[in-house]
Amino acid sequence: DAGVIQSPRHEVTEMGQEVTLRCKPISGHNSLFWYRQTMMRGLELLIYFNNNVPIDDSGMPEDRFSAKMPNASFSTLKIQPSEPRDSAVYFCASSLASHSNQPQHFGDGTRLSIL
Amino acid sequence: KQEVTQIPAALSVPEGENLVLNCSFTDSAIYNLQWFRQDPGKGLTSLLLIQSSQREQTSGRLNASLDKSSGRSTLYIAASQPGDSATYLCAVNSGYSTLTFGKGTMLLVSP
Repeated sequence: DAGVIQSPRHEVTEMGQEVTLRCKPISGHNSLFWYRQTMMRGLELLIYFNNNVPIDDSGMPEDRFSAKMPNASFSTLKIQPSEPRDSAVYFCASSLASHSNQPQHFGDGTRLSIL
Repeated sequence: KQEVTQIPAALSVPEGENLVLNCSFTDSAIYNLQWFRQDPGKGLTSLLLIQSSQREQTSGRLNASLDKSSGRSTLYIAASQPGDSATYLCAVNSGYSTLTFGKGTMLLVSP
């Protein structure tokens, strides 16, 4: 079975540019999570969706960040305009249900570098 | 606010040793605790999930325990192998499916 699929795997762009990260969750999973990982802060939850609806976006750092889930099989995380401090690895994860006792399955991440 | 701490930050052992990784959390009101493995440049692989009502979970050479009242979990790896080298992350689910992660323990098993 295909796992969580993220694209691109790597992104290098100049500050000020718009960046769009993409995620395809595991089929049948109805919860989707976006995380950011840095050396300093570790893994932090940015936002999560349940049945395509954003439930908690308190981790989104600034208005420059936005996330959408137009359907059950696709989500995007957008940064506009991007800044060097946004450089990190961004992970998408999905789980079977909104019930808290289901494990989360992670994609391989997008390594983002803002110059 | 839930905080998760993992000790040690790094660990180096010779092949064959049994080892214990530690995880502590500040708020004992949790739904479950999950241990992950992360290989360099890769995502996280779920190893074990312990429900709040459970004391331990086992998978092969891995055993995870949970003491919710004291805010502690351990991951025990038996007969370590070089292929076990990775970063191990502990994550606590305090509700609404959101996970709070520790910063991980980087494990190196030498042949």
